Amino acid sequence: DTAVSQTPKYLVTQMGNDKSIKCEQNLGHDTMYWYKQDSKKFLKIMFSYNNKELIINETVPNRFSPKSPDKAHLNLHINSLELGDSAVYFCASSLMGLSVGNEQFFGPGTRLTVL
Amino acid sequence: DAKTTQPNSMESNEEEPVHLPCNHSTISGTDYIHWYRQLPSQGPEYVIHGLTSNVNNRMASLAIAEDRKSSTLILHRATLRDAAVYYCILTPLYAQKLVFGQGTRLTINP
Repeated sequence: DTAVSQTPKYLVTQMGNDKSIKCEQNLGHDTMYWYKQDSKKFLKIMFSYNNKELIINETVPNRFSPKSPDKAHLNLHINSLELGDSAVYFCASSLMGLSVGNEQFFGPGTRLTVL
Repeated sequence: DAKTTQPNSMESNEEEPVHLPCNHSTISGTDYIHWYRQLPSQGPEYVIHGLTSNVNNRMASLAIAEDRKSSTLILHRATLRDAAVYYCILTPLYAQKLVFGQGTRLTINP
């Protein structure tokens, strides 16, 4: 059973389009995250949700809108896609944030290519 | 966020121990030391974490210097599957996020 799953695995789209990436975790965790890994392989946090509430927004453009319908799901919607949005997006989850050293579990990633 | 310094790359041979160093001279008293690794084309995975004492788990050991300004991840017997980028990350108590650096790319020779 996959702990953190993401769909789709690959996404190729044109500039200007709107797309969504879905994430689900079956670990019963309270906190979910979105990270972006760019072409230089730097991994950077974008958003964090705890029990459906936004707790971190790392100065990500407004075109990116996370949505958490319940604590097991955190979807990422991107409007008006730009070339610079091309990256691998990772979803992650953890129990009660990173309190006292809790680990994060990462999904397999979604490779987004904007043409 | 306190910073960590790791070598860009390291190389080792299969079935030999590997010692991956990490310097964190500005660590504060409540910062946990986490290690994650990222295998090719996969998401990062947790390896181990510690606060002050050395830690062992099924994947690795973590040796923390007495002054906590450095730590070493030890893979006791490397396999080809251990080839990955290894990240040493400091997380404050009740941290809300992981801050990844550039990590160490570990190559394992057969």
